Amino acid sequence: DAGVIQSPRHEVTEMGQEVTLRCKPISGHNSLFWYRQTMMRGLELLIYFNNNVPIDDSGMPEDRFSAKMPNASFSTLKIQPSEPRDSAVYFCASRAAGNQPQHFGDGTRLSIL
Amino acid sequence: GESVGLHLPTLSVQEGDNSIINCAYSNSASDYFIWYKQESGKGPQFIIDIRSNMDKRQGQRVTVLLNKTVKHLSLQIAATQPGDSAVYFCAENTGFQKLVFGTGTRLLVSP
Repeated sequence: DAGVIQSPRHEVTEMGQEVTLRCKPISGHNSLFWYRQTMMRGLELLIYFNNNVPIDDSGMPEDRFSAKMPNASFSTLKIQPSEPRDSAVYFCASRAAGNQPQHFGDGTRLSIL
Repeated sequence: GESVGLHLPTLSVQEGDNSIINCAYSNSASDYFIWYKQESGKGPQFIIDIRSNMDKRQGQRVTVLLNKTVKHLSLQIAATQPGDSAVYFCAENTGFQKLVFGTGTRLLVSP
């Protein structure tokens, strides 16, 4: 079975540019989560969706960050404008209904110069 | 100023030994717990989970123990192998449909 698929795997861009990260959850999963992982702060939840609807975005750092889930098989996390402090590994995870484990993609390593 | 990263506790074991990784969780209302393994360059990988109505669950070479009295979770790995070297995270479901992750423990297995 295909797992969670993220793209790109690596992104290097200059500050001020728009960055779009993409995620395809596992088919049939109805919850999707975006995380950020850094050495300083560990693994932080940014936002999560249930049935394509954003439920909790309290972890989104600021207005420069936005996330969408237009359908059950696709989500994006956008940073505009990007800043060097946004450099991190961004993970997407999906989960079937209820108390089931989240399954993670392999992440996007983002470097903002 | 100088940045300070998370200092991950490290457990070093010999191949073939049993490993025990510990985790203290924060919320007495948490009802579901998961252990993840993260290898370099990869996302966290699900290992085993346990619900709060249980105190022990076994998988292949792994056992999770839950002590709700002291809010403690442990992961036991039997006959540890070099391929088990990774960072291990515990996570708790605090009841708001989202997981709170611990800071992680690095397991180093030497041959």
